[in-house]
Amino acid sequence: QVQLQESGPGLAKPSETLSLTCSVSGYSISSGHYWAWIRQSPGRGLEWIGSIHHSGSIFAPSSLKSRVSISMDTSKNQIFLRVTSATAADTAMYYCAREERSGSYNWFDPWGPGLLVTVSS
Amino acid sequence: SYELSQPPSVSVSPGQTASISCSGEKLGDKYVSWYQQKPGQSPVVVIYQDNKRPSGLPERISGSNSGNTATLTISGTQAMDEADYYCQAWDSSTAVVFGGGTKLTVL
Repeated sequence: QVQLQESGPGLAKPSETLSLTCSVSGYSISSGHYWAWIRQSPGRGLEWIGSIHHSGSIFAPSSLKSRVSISMDTSKNQIFLRVTSATAADTAMYYCAREERSGSYNWFDPWGPGLLVTVSS
Repeated sequence: SYELSQPPSVSVSPGQTASISCSGEKLGDKYVSWYQQKPGQSPVVVIYQDNKRPSGLPERISGSNSGNTATLTISGTQAMDEADYYCQAWDSSTAVVFGGGTKLTVL
């Protein structure tokens, strides 16, 4: 059974870089699938941050592309997220999820429990 | 950019049928997934590819998608169904897009 766990600092200062790690167990991330980062601001909806495949393909929304970096270490079975120039607007629960993707459809299953990251001075 | 719209809240009496809509331009041409999120928990997929249920989910949860609207239907609604529900689609320009979410209240 695949399980995901987010980790990283829960507090960052404005202008700093957020660095999060998603550790995957029960499934090799190099076996296939995309792996995604999704965030949810307090009391708000879900926002897709980006997705990565072990082949090197990376997708991210244009609104965040300039500040987001996603990578993976297949030897450690981990996926990484970096968000530069953090502001209070980046305060959110950050989730990693396995993404089923093919052609014109996708969905996310399962999700990690999430990591709350607060950006504040 | 592509957008999905959901009603902020839907109320239903126990045992009745709840319908949650998700609207977007030509949404019927895209595949829609639905996620259930209970307080303090991470989202869980309940419908993918418009109308497919993950194994283990009850048949009383179903999905449809046509025209500009996708609908999540929960029949015989129970207290355990009370949660936030999000629709999600894939768009060629925006890639992944989520609806704003609907809070389902079982009165």
